[in-house]
Amino acid sequence: DAKTTQPPSMDCAEGRAANLPCNHSTISGNEYVYWYRQIHSQGPQYIIHGLKNNETNEMASLIITEDRKSSTLILPHATLRDTAVYYCIVRSRDRGSTLGRLYFGRGTQLTVWP
Amino acid sequence: NAGVTQTPKFQVLKTGQSMTLQCAQDMNHNSMYWYRQDPGMGLRLIYYSASEGTTDKGEVPNGYNVSRLNKREFSLRLESAAPSQTSVYFCASSPEQRYSGNTIYFGEGSWLTVV
Repeated sequence: DAKTTQPPSMDCAEGRAANLPCNHSTISGNEYVYWYRQIHSQGPQYIIHGLKNNETNEMASLIITEDRKSSTLILPHATLRDTAVYYCIVRSRDRGSTLGRLYFGRGTQLTVWP
Repeated sequence: NAGVTQTPKFQVLKTGQSMTLQCAQDMNHNSMYWYRQDPGMGLRLIYYSASEGTTDKGEVPNGYNVSRLNKREFSLRLESAAPSQTSVYFCASSPEQRYSGNTIYFGEGSWLTVV
């Protein structure tokens, strides 16, 4: 199963762009990259996902490299409320099964400071 | 539309006691999941149910049982609670697990302490 590697922590000034990197060098062709975040003690919140093209929604942008081995989540104008743990996840398929599951790592603790 | 609802939100158990965590979703999703999260760690999958009537083990199933009661409800049971099961438990659901492009939605968590 493709796993991900993220820095354990990052910080960002309020109003600036936050760029969170993720490595997923063993990703296979049919696996999506998902980003979730978890604000202290709450349930994880979906942010964005993509396969190979860059994606943008009202929360963030997702940039996936051409070889798909890494990606970057961009929060264009970070606010204090964006302080959270951010998880980069590859949606894997189990051996012998057509079903996919989410595998969470430890994520990146993003701290936005005033 | 409440999304994914878990009960209870907080529970303290004595070692050896049993209990069931309840989860219900009102989004007509086919797939449901139970995760646990220990302090400072990411989420680990305990069990999942791809559709009504089916359940499968995840990464850390030992000490747990599950029941997919109907399409809406997916319960997690601890038959004989142990201190190692002290954790925050999250239930989640998604429309269809077969296609990787689907989003998974999470409940707000259940805090369980076993003493």
